[in-house]
Amino acid sequence: EAQVTQNPRYLITVTGKKLTVTCSQNMNHEYMSWYRQDPGLGLRQIYYSMNVEVTDKGDVPEGYKVSRKEKRNFPLILESPSPNQTSLYFCASSSWAGANEKLFFGSGTQLSVL
Amino acid sequence: AQKVTQAQTEISVVEKEDVTLDCVYETRDTTYYLFWYKQPPSGELVFLIRRNSFDEQNEISGRYSWNFQKSTSSFNFTITASQVVDSAVYFCALSETVGDMRFGAGTRLTVKP
Repeated sequence: EAQVTQNPRYLITVTGKKLTVTCSQNMNHEYMSWYRQDPGLGLRQIYYSMNVEVTDKGDVPEGYKVSRKEKRNFPLILESPSPNQTSLYFCASSSWAGANEKLFFGSGTQLSVL
Repeated sequence: AQKVTQAQTEISVVEKEDVTLDCVYETRDTTYYLFWYKQPPSGELVFLIRRNSFDEQNEISGRYSWNFQKSTSSFNFTITASQVVDSAVYFCALSETVGDMRFGAGTRLTVKP
């Protein structure tokens, strides 16, 4: 089954404790991205990657890191989480043929930073 | 800068009513893409439609229809004869360059039986 898998589904942590949210897709998609969803703000793009070893900042990259060492994986790293990073996070992927194709989303990760 | 405005924060209708969700966008580019996604109460995000800026044809898919008007920079979504299962948050999104995607704040639709 074609899917984007995020883990964990729920995460509660404390300020300053490094964490990683994993994202993996099995569709051989070139493009992957991370979004955060906050009430009243919709989804905002954190980082995206057009292919292996190619990453770019989205609208809200501060406090986040990503890496794309393999085509299927695109982890989101919070090296020193803060309470304002409490949010619902979505990973997404799509094929890329020179145009913006539809996104396939993971199930989301609800992160709470205390 | 891109911007997507969904002015309706919440809409409540009774089953079988028609409902239109508004989406207004801002862009200086002539080539861009517009999308609608649905987020049901279970939380996942589901793709509904993609439209490029050169295709202003309206589209109908079952009870769903989309009205794209470049003259007013709008890409509105209509659900005909709404059903309880249509209850969800609906997001409009705009993409200019490959890689970026700007979402609106979303419209929460509640369909009451």
